[in-house]
Amino acid sequence: DAGVTQSPTHLIKTRGQQVTLRCSPKSGHDTVSWYQQALGQGPQFIFQYYEEEERQRGNFPDRFSGHQFPNYSSELNVNALLLGDSALYLCASSSHMRLDQETQYFGPGTRLLVL
Amino acid sequence: AQTVTQSQPEMSVQEAETVTLSCTYDTSESDYYLFWYKQPPSRQMILVIRQEAYKQQNATENRFSVNFQKAAKSFSLKISDSQLGDAAMYFCASSAYSGAGSYQLTFGKGTKLSVIP
Repeated sequence: DAGVTQSPTHLIKTRGQQVTLRCSPKSGHDTVSWYQQALGQGPQFIFQYYEEEERQRGNFPDRFSGHQFPNYSSELNVNALLLGDSALYLCASSSHMRLDQETQYFGPGTRLLVL
Repeated sequence: AQTVTQSQPEMSVQEAETVTLSCTYDTSESDYYLFWYKQPPSRQMILVIRQEAYKQQNATENRFSVNFQKAAKSFSLKISDSQLGDAAMYFCASSAYSGAGSYQLTFGKGTKLSVIP
């Protein structure tokens, strides 16, 4: 049973650049959520995708955008990178068809460093 | 809106002993869920235990159990027979229905647990 996978594991960018992070959900899951975890903090909700549409969004600027593909995988895009975007980006998946649809399972994360 | 507070930034426990991590939360929702996640240095966030708010019985998973006090909005995690592999950051989180079939997690700031051999 494949778990949630994310790529790349690490990424270094410079201010003003754009970045794309990728996530494949756990087998059988159709919903993907993205979180930003700054150093020493708990994860903060960015947005959630289901049926290829953004369903919910946290308090993040429009520079953060996403996409979900028909195979349920997802991308997180960040434009005009700022130093403050340096963080661990976590992807989590869940299934709206399951009784535990509120339970999310996480991938290993992508560590983004903005210089 | 949901808030989750973990008031213990760091805790330590002797191997084989028992430790309790504290968490309080606030939510206006009646349908919500509570979780404890473990994040070892490898960064992977691992689900430890889950509690449905409508259930009075406290959840247990092997050496892990919770003390859910709904009126006090308290949700503590007890780890029995602590092992070296339990050393990690532990995050308390709540999840409530936010419309359009969506649940989103709200996390506390975490408690760093050290296990002393």
